[in-house]
Amino acid sequence: ETAVFQTPNYHVTQVGNEVSFNCKQTLGHDTMYWYKQDSKKLLKIMFSYNNKQLIVNETVPRRFSPQSSDKAHLNLRIKSVEPEDSAVYLCASTRTGGAEEQYFGPGTRLTVL
Amino acid sequence: QQKVQQSPESLSVPEGGMASFNCTSSDRNFQYFWWYRQHSGEGPKALMSIFSDGDKKEGRFTAHLNKASLHVSLHIRDSQPSDSALYFCAASDSGYNKLTFGKGTVLLVSP
Repeated sequence: ETAVFQTPNYHVTQVGNEVSFNCKQTLGHDTMYWYKQDSKKLLKIMFSYNNKQLIVNETVPRRFSPQSSDKAHLNLRIKSVEPEDSAVYLCASTRTGGAEEQYFGPGTRLTVL
Repeated sequence: QQKVQQSPESLSVPEGGMASFNCTSSDRNFQYFWWYRQHSGEGPKALMSIFSDGDKKEGRFTAHLNKASLHVSLHIRDSQPSDSALYFCAASDSGYNKLTFGKGTVLLVSP
């Protein structure tokens, strides 16, 4: 099966803790993204990687740090989570090019208590 | 200001009816427009892309683009309850396909 996989499905943690989310795509794509979807369902891009290189870094708090070991994997670490970090984090992948479809994973729902 | 604006916020149509969505961009650098659909508990999935002026039809779905006014629309004919979802308009301007999404329109198709 070729798709975008995310783990965990959901995570509940307390303010100040560190969390990590994982994403893997088996579509052979070379560009991967992290999006944040808030409680109002608004989707905003956070980071984009092309062949393990960071190419897009939106205005995101410094406690967020993405990591890519190869073009099929993209992780997201959040140091010292805040209540406003509660959201669904969606990973996506695509082939490089302005006209290519992005394929999304199912998301990781983060709840910060 | 939101660079991609969608209307309406929500829409309710009877089964078999026509659902219509609108999207306007304020950034003339956007060249590629997409419609994505997100069912509850899932990630968004691309429905259609449109890059040239005019209409594009795929089955029950028709998209229309007017580049001069930066207006995109999506029409779903013969709507089905399974079409009930959140519909996003998205636009990009670069080779790295950085998408800017609108706020979405919730569609409810009632049997």
